[in-house]
Amino acid sequence: GESVGLHLPTLSVQEGDNSIINCAYSNSASDYFIWYKQESGKGPQFIIDIRSNMDKRQGQRVTVLLNKTVKHLSLQIAATQPGDSAVYFCAENSYRGSQGNLIFGKGTKLSVKP
Amino acid sequence: DAGVTQSPTHLIKTRGQQVTLRCSPKSGHDTVSWYQQALGQGPQFIFQYYEEEERQRGNFPDRFSGHQFPNYSSELNVNALLLGDSALYLCASSLVGRGREETQYFGPGTRLLVL
Repeated sequence: GESVGLHLPTLSVQEGDNSIINCAYSNSASDYFIWYKQESGKGPQFIIDIRSNMDKRQGQRVTVLLNKTVKHLSLQIAATQPGDSAVYFCAENSYRGSQGNLIFGKGTKLSVKP
Repeated sequence: DAGVTQSPTHLIKTRGQQVTLRCSPKSGHDTVSWYQQALGQGPQFIFQYYEEEERQRGNFPDRFSGHQFPNYSSELNVNALLLGDSALYLCASSLVGRGREETQYFGPGTRLLVL
């Protein structure tokens, strides 16, 4: 069946270091992936997305890498800041024609130490 | 530019009762999806509404139903509440552009507690 999961449930990093959050997906037919950040008591906030015709996409301080061969997705955060502390979810958009629903993993909690 | 809004923010109900949650999509969006997020878990897709019709549904019982209005806002209804329905209910909106749904943006959620 379809599933999206994460390798590490928690990640603790020092302020200023780079963070890498990993995600595995199982549906090889998925062609759109999104990273969301969720702070306590809030809804998921869009960070960055990538389509399957790309291997890498960069945003402001964030980079998403997609390895379709091993069905692996990662989110890299440069110069991690205390405000980056949150739970990060990868999501897979399972398209059927023009319709899609997001399939989320369980999330990785990122804790930034000052 | 208003983002996705949801009401109420918190709600307490007892088993067997019915509840209605509301969502207004981001300006310019025409599609609304609903998700249930249990504590410590990722959101689970309930259903999606487009052009006032349910066009895709996740693995949720018929006790969960919804509606989309002509102004694209949406309601989620849950009948015969169970303790296990306690969760954060998230609404996400998107635009079906060029025949394909674009990125979903989430609201702050409604925290439902069933006693």
